[in-house]
Amino acid sequence: ETGVTQTPRHLVMGMTNKKSLKCEQHLGHNAMYWYKQSAKKPLELMFVYSLEERVENNSVPSRFSPECPNSSHLFLHLHTLQPEDSALYLCASSHDLADYNEQFFGPGTRLTVL
Amino acid sequence: GNSVTQMEGPVTLSEEAFLTINCTYTATGYPSLFWYVQYPGEGLQLLLKATKADDKGSNKGFEATYRKETTSFHLEKGSVQVSDSAVYFCALRSSSGSARQLTFGSGTQLTVLP
Repeated sequence: ETGVTQTPRHLVMGMTNKKSLKCEQHLGHNAMYWYKQSAKKPLELMFVYSLEERVENNSVPSRFSPECPNSSHLFLHLHTLQPEDSALYLCASSHDLADYNEQFFGPGTRLTVL
Repeated sequence: GNSVTQMEGPVTLSEEAFLTINCTYTATGYPSLFWYVQYPGEGLQLLLKATKADDKGSNKGFEATYRKETTSFHLEKGSVQVSDSAVYFCALRSSSGSARQLTFGSGTQLTVLP
């Protein structure tokens, strides 16, 4: 247990569906992240939040929409996804944005888009 | 930009064998270096880290030394166990530029046979 939980663990959705991924951290951290892990590719950083403010958006398609209502919760809203969006989506948190602080990862949500 | 290159897997070893997974990096400034491990069906967990040159990170019998002259952070373990079977990721976080972003290698799958 890393102190970061994600729900659901598995999600299957059609291309026309709308769904949301949820991440919660119990570590008192101020920074939260979404990553995409595809087979045989390095982890891709999608979004970074610090103190509930988005500080980085790495050219992610608009069909992915993040939301950070407070420092403990992070959501990723999904709509009209494509089959190539199927991947493991990982949430992480860190104390702040300092480079020496490690990130703590959740177990991920395995997403399959049909 | 920053980049991490680690040896391609998969790597298959017998129990009690010596393990080395090579990792080299390119970065601006003085990055912090990390090894993460991902067990089947789980998210990434920090294994060890080093924040300055010549530092040695160690945990659970694994070690890695931050070598600035060779820009390397190779992971080693003297005697692997079946329970070490996982995917290992080398990563860096730069002290300049986009300090928020962890840059990951592509991962090395390790399988340890009894």
